[in-house]
This record gives sequence, C-alpha cells and structure tokens, in this order.
Amino acid sequence: QSVLTQPPSVSGAPRQRVTISCSGSSSNVGNNAVNWYQHLPGKAPKLLIYADELLPSGVSDRLSASKSGASASLAISGLQSEDEADYYCAAWDDSLKGPVFGGGTKLTVL
Amino acid sequence: QVQLQESGPALVKPSETLSLTCTVSGGSISSYLWSWIRQPPGKGLEWIGYSYYSGNTKSNPSLRSRVSISVETSKNQFSLKLNSVTAADTAVYFCARLILNYWYFDLWGRGTLVTVSS
Repeated sequence: QSVLTQPPSVSGAPRQRVTISCSGSSSNVGNNAVNWYQHLPGKAPKLLIYADELLPSGVSDRLSASKSGASASLAISGLQSEDEADYYCAAWDDSLKGPVFGGGTKLTVL
Repeated sequence: QVQLQESGPALVKPSETLSLTCTVSGGSISSYLWSWIRQPPGKGLEWIGYSYYSGNTKSNPSLRSRVSISVETSKNQFSLKLNSVTAADTAVYFCARLILNYWYFDLWGRGTLVTVSS
C-alpha cells in the first residue's frame, strides 16, 4: 500500500489530454513539493516535474502539473504513443522524514 | 552527461546480505545526496535510504536496522547492504541522485533485479 494514492491506469487517444491524480496528506503533498517521474520498464526512471510544477530542461512542454492542498495532478496534452509508460508522484514526508511515492499509474495511448 | 549504473548479485539466499554498488560516471559523486529505491514485483516504489557524499546517512525506518549505505568518493561509487533478507526483499533496486531542494531524484540508474531465494 503506497503512501500516495494514484489511479492504477488512465488512457487516452492520440492528441487528447489526460490527467493523473495524486492524493496524499498534510505530512507530504499538503506541505511539501510534489515531483513526478516517468518509467518505462527496463529503463531508468525520468524526472518530469519537480517543485509541484517546474519542468526540467529537455522535458516536453506538453506536460504540466499543479497542486491544491493535499492533491496534485499531472497533465499530458497532445498524447503520443511514446507517452505510454508508468507515471509516479512523490513527495517528502514529514512523518517518515524521507520521500514517499504513489503506487504508479499506467498510461495507455489508445 | 552523468550516468548511474547498478551492479551486484542477481540472486541472494534468505538470511544472507544483499550487496549492491552504484557507479557514477560522467561527473563527481561529491556535493550530492545518493539514494537507493526499490520496486517489488507488481508494486510501487519504496525509498530505502540516502547518503551524503561525506557519509551522513538516513534510511527508511521500516528497513533501518538492516540497511547500510556508504559512499566511496575515490571510486565514484556508493553502495547498499541489506542484511537478513527474505523473499519480501525481492525487488528491482534503483540507485538515484537526490537533490536537496524539493527532495527530488534527478538522475536514476536502470535498476537491477535482485531475487531472494534458496
């Protein structure tokens, strides 16, 4: 059971927009920065978003993220087949005194 | 560019010690936090612990008594030891660089599957 809650799967057609939610509590998402990662099995996970909404250099601007209270979301617009992957949210947890992750969301491009 | 690569035995017997090394290439191991994360089959990611390059470490309370993380700056490597392993420790183990501001992992290795079985 992961500390942060994500939907197990989402899907969308090419060129559509999908969002992935991430729900936590006041000890993590509600009080600390949320970060998002993309993982393709067999490859190194990739940082997509840090500090709630900032894109690292080289990450597509089709991605955006936001946070309100203890919930955060990642949006991917203009879906492409290459976006098919697992997506994870993460945040520092004040109780654990370490990072916690969501269970991951599998994105399928129809 | 900086790359991370995990290495170590793929199979460990129950009650023995799991030992992994992460080699950092293309950059210095100094001035960063270095971390281990794992993903059991079919499950989510779990933070194991991190170490500053100078040696200060912190680990997940659920694993703390069994975990040791060390950094060898001369080799640009850091290591994980997890003792008294059980089948529940079977997972893909990732090494990653942890950025102190906002606590995010900006670089990851591809991961290595470690199976605990007799």
